[in-house]
Amino acid sequence: QQQVKQSPQSLIVQKGGISIINCAYENTAFDYFPWYQQFPGKGPALLIAIRPDVSEKKEGRFTISFNKSAKQFSLHIMDSQPGDSATYFCAASMRSGTALIFGKGTTLSVSS
Amino acid sequence: GAGVSQSPSNKVTEKGKDVELRCDPISGHTALYWYRQSLGQGLEFLIYFQGNSAPDKSGLPSDRFSAERTGGSVSTLTIQRTQQEDSAVYLCASSAGRGGQPQHFGDGTRLSIL
Repeated sequence: QQQVKQSPQSLIVQKGGISIINCAYENTAFDYFPWYQQFPGKGPALLIAIRPDVSEKKEGRFTISFNKSAKQFSLHIMDSQPGDSATYFCAASMRSGTALIFGKGTTLSVSS
Repeated sequence: GAGVSQSPSNKVTEKGKDVELRCDPISGHTALYWYRQSLGQGLEFLIYFQGNSAPDKSGLPSDRFSAERTGGSVSTLTIQRTQQEDSAVYLCASSAGRGGQPQHFGDGTRLSIL
């Protein structure tokens, strides 16, 4: 049973465009939703995170949109740059047990 | 400041051998996690240590896997009698506490079983 479903698996965006990655979760006990960015040969790095009491969080060019009723959240990368080319993972965890449950990842390629 | 440090960065071993992977968490972080990243399975939780509490071992795939954390700091993940399906990147993360505190990852140990 996959508790966090992520799409698309891969994404190609032109420089300056908007990259959108979507995730859906099943467990309503999840209350923390981070996004991680991973470059080849490196560990995942926290990008931005949200809790279900807000519907949107923005940090620079990165925005999380959260829809609690639909159990969905998404990452928007505005003005995408070639340096954003990486693999992005959404994740979720519960307050009582903090192991992260990850989506399968999205490989983003930003063409110049 | 120093991040999460993992060693070795790469490990190649023969099937059937035992391996030990080491993780040095960020100083002061009470929580430590091990995850496994493989092509087919993505990022999977293995085990979680929080302070002096009993570890959450619910993600360990078999009894060949074990982990310990000495003195609330350094952790070692041990895989006994390695199998080819154990080939993966083993990632360690630490955080300042429970309940959604950001987890900071090391760069992992790439384990290859011949």
